[in-house]
Amino acid sequence: GQNIDQPTEMTATEGAIVQINCTYQTSGFNGLFWYQQHAGEAPTFLSYNVLDGLEEKGRFSSFLSRSKGYSYLLLKELQMKDSASYLCAVRDSNYQLIWGAGTKLIIKP
Amino acid sequence: GAVVSQHPSWVICKSGTSVKIECRSLDFQATTMFWYRQFPKQSLMLMATSNEGSKATYEQGVEKDKFLINHASLTLSTLTVTSAHPEDSSFYICSAALPGFSAGGRDEQFFGPGTRLTVL
Repeated sequence: GQNIDQPTEMTATEGAIVQINCTYQTSGFNGLFWYQQHAGEAPTFLSYNVLDGLEEKGRFSSFLSRSKGYSYLLLKELQMKDSASYLCAVRDSNYQLIWGAGTKLIIKP
Repeated sequence: GAVVSQHPSWVICKSGTSVKIECRSLDFQATTMFWYRQFPKQSLMLMATSNEGSKATYEQGVEKDKFLINHASLTLSTLTVTSAHPEDSSFYICSAALPGFSAGGRDEQFFGPGTRLTVL
């Protein structure tokens, strides 16, 4: 079956750096997405990786290793507003998005 | 970025009634729209994929006669929850994709703000 694993919850301090990992086992691979979702709101797009390596976008970076079935989202200079759930999603060989359960990130002052 | 709207944002209804949720892409034409359901503290669950002018493709376990989807135009898809019951109470989210998404492009899905349905 297809599976995406992320930690359920993480806690970090304002101003610090946090890395959220995502491992996947899917039938084929056509890109990996990271989304941010605040409670009670719809997800918003953060990043997209289809080739191995690091994609940097401001305070957020996303890394992909296809051979290891692994990605991480790196958040720098954490702000209180970064408290949210972070969803990892992989597009499989049928171009269907397979969603992880999400990682709830709690930022403490 | 592209904007997707949903209406209503929340609805409370009595058990046995039907509820219609609208999803609109405001500034682009979406050949494909997706409907998701999300229970508290859980991830998104894809219910169906809707293509303009054709029948929706439902995920396994989703009753197509209970969750009616109509994608009549390139900017509008509707989800009707028929004979709603308390277990249908959930957060329903639609998303719209640019044509490149289903072909493997980097275009992301654009999500609507969601509709919170409470069935009493």
